[in-house]
Amino acid sequence: DTGVSQDPRHKITKRGQNVTFRCDPISEHNRLYWYRQTLGQGPEFLTYFQNEAQLEKSRLLSDRFSAERPKGSFSTLEIQRTEQGDSAMYLCASSLSRVNTIYFGEGSWLTVV
Amino acid sequence: GESVGLHLPTLSVQEGDNSIINCAYSNSASDYFIWYKQESGKGPQFIIDIRSNMDKRQGQRVTVLLNKTVKHLSLQIAATQPGDSAVYFCAEIWGVKLSFGAGTTVTVRA
Repeated sequence: DTGVSQDPRHKITKRGQNVTFRCDPISEHNRLYWYRQTLGQGPEFLTYFQNEAQLEKSRLLSDRFSAERPKGSFSTLEIQRTEQGDSAMYLCASSLSRVNTIYFGEGSWLTVV
Repeated sequence: GESVGLHLPTLSVQEGDNSIINCAYSNSASDYFIWYKQESGKGPQFIIDIRSNMDKRQGQRVTVLLNKTVKHLSLQIAATQPGDSAVYFCAEIWGVKLSFGAGTTVTVRA
């Protein structure tokens, strides 16, 4: 499969625990994005990387959230001290910088109980 | 701030008929638009895109129309099939970010 890959697909965690999601973009895509989607809403932008550089972060990305893309390939999104309001689907997407078409992965569902 | 929105939250269509999904946008600086299809529990799937210097683009069974004068975007699906049942989002790109509207849920009646 050559699409955007996300892991895990589902995560249930207790409030206050830390969680980490991984994203493997389409090979050679130098842009990588994280979005969050809650039920009935469209995806909301969180952050994006151009290669290993994190170039933009949404105000939705509180200090409990951190994203990395250390070698310009895969990326991780960590949420510390999870809250019930963090329950959502976290979507990763990738693209080539010269081409606007952005492809999404299947998402990682987070449920905080 | 400016955002992309959809005219109707739901659309019910008879199998075999054509579907038209509408979207209004307000950011006149957006230079690129994408339609996505999202099935339950899955990520958004790219359908078709259009640049702001175009007014029409066709794909397989789908056509996107862009009217910059009234800032309106539409997705037409020909001969709608049961597999077309999903939530459809229009999204605009300004710079590098995608901004999504709330989506239209399309239900295909047999």
